[in-house]
Amino acid sequence: DAGVTQSPTHLIKTRGQHVTLRCSPISGHKSVSWYQQVLGQGPQFIFQYYEKEERGRGNFPDRFSARQFPNYSSELNVNALLLGDSALYLCASSYWDGPIGYTFGSGTRLTVV
Amino acid sequence: AQSVSQHNHHVILSEAASLELGCNYSYGGTVNLFWYVQYPGQHLQLLLKYFSGDPLVKGIKGFEAEFIKSKFSFNLRKPSVQWSDTAEYFCAVKEYNQGGKLIFGQGTELSVKP
Repeated sequence: DAGVTQSPTHLIKTRGQHVTLRCSPISGHKSVSWYQQVLGQGPQFIFQYYEKEERGRGNFPDRFSARQFPNYSSELNVNALLLGDSALYLCASSYWDGPIGYTFGSGTRLTVV
Repeated sequence: AQSVSQHNHHVILSEAASLELGCNYSYGGTVNLFWYVQYPGQHLQLLLKYFSGDPLVKGIKGFEAEFIKSKFSFNLRKPSVQWSDTAEYFCAVKEYNQGGKLIFGQGTELSVKP
């Protein structure tokens, strides 16, 4: 079975540019969450979507946005990139919105120069 | 705001030594608790989770964790570590009504010497 897949795996962008990161959850999983992991720290929650609706938003600026598609895949968009946005962006999926474990993808390594 | 604290940033052990990694959280309500492991170059993998019931939880690869509600703690233990346990370990907490929002600790890097 395919796990959570994220694309691209690595990305280099210039300050001020826009980036779109993609996530495909495990088949049958309806919930997708996004996290940012800066080197040396634990992941920080950005967004959660369940059944195509936003269910939670972390403490990130409005430059960060996301959406979930009818097939439950998801995109994370970041506008006006800053050097501080350089991080590993993780996607996690689960079957539903309740108390259940989350499966993480391998992440997209974003470097902003 | 809810926070998760992992006591040790880097732990170095010899093979066969016992392991205990500390995790404390700040939220007083009902929580779900998780330990994730990240092996070098790999993605986060779930080691174990606690939702309710027996506070002693057994996970994969011989790991276990004990939920002590009065101490707001969820410490990870393994009686005898192996070189292959070298990895970064993250404790995470989810408030009961907060959907998919996991709050992670800063992580503990474990190095096991052969």
